[in-house]
Amino acid sequence: QKEVEQNSGPLSVPEGAIASLNCTYSDRGSQSFFWYRQYSGKSPELIMSIYSNGDKEDGRFTAQLNKASQYVSLLIRDSQPSDSATYLCAVRVGQNFVFGPGTRLSVLP
Amino acid sequence: DVKVTQSSRYLVKRTGEKVFLECVQDMDHENMFWYRQDPGLGLRLIYFSYDVKMKEKGDIPEGYSVSREKKERFSLILESASTNQTSMYLCASQGDSGANVLTFGAGSRLTVL
Repeated sequence: QKEVEQNSGPLSVPEGAIASLNCTYSDRGSQSFFWYRQYSGKSPELIMSIYSNGDKEDGRFTAQLNKASQYVSLLIRDSQPSDSATYLCAVRVGQNFVFGPGTRLSVLP
Repeated sequence: DVKVTQSSRYLVKRTGEKVFLECVQDMDHENMFWYRQDPGLGLRLIYFSYDVKMKEKGDIPEGYSVSREKKERFSLILESASTNQTSMYLCASQGDSGANVLTFGAGSRLTVL
């Protein structure tokens, strides 16, 4: 069974702080990693994809990948109340995408 | 942008009814997926298809079937709906080239009474 694990939260951070979300995966052969954001009652939307070790930055978001340790993280700088959502980590395994259970983030004004 | 359209946002059905959930994508993608999402369980893959008339079982195919007669359309069928199939159903599409990402439809919330 291919597994992707995340802390379910809720993770609460004050507005303007850095939110750090973590994800571990079990399949060492995984090559593609994704972070999706899901607002309550809505479908997931892609925030970041990362394919090689290191950091990838896009605006306030930074994805970090460490294949040796089998973890992926997402940093959100200058967190805003509008960032309050559930963040899903996804790993491509063959032709499938395996999702973690999600971490609920709450950004407090 | 890829558009994935799920025909029904909310459905209420009775136990034993046959249910069709339709999904259409407009980007000529090869791969299409059906997930269900339940609180505390995350997204679980029901079936996926990598070509017309091709299908593969996911993690929880029991009680479901799928149909892909045309490349753009992937249907999920509940032959005899049961109350434990009350859930949010999410369709997704993905191309074999380019960004290699999943794009989701808006979701179909099914309630089985």
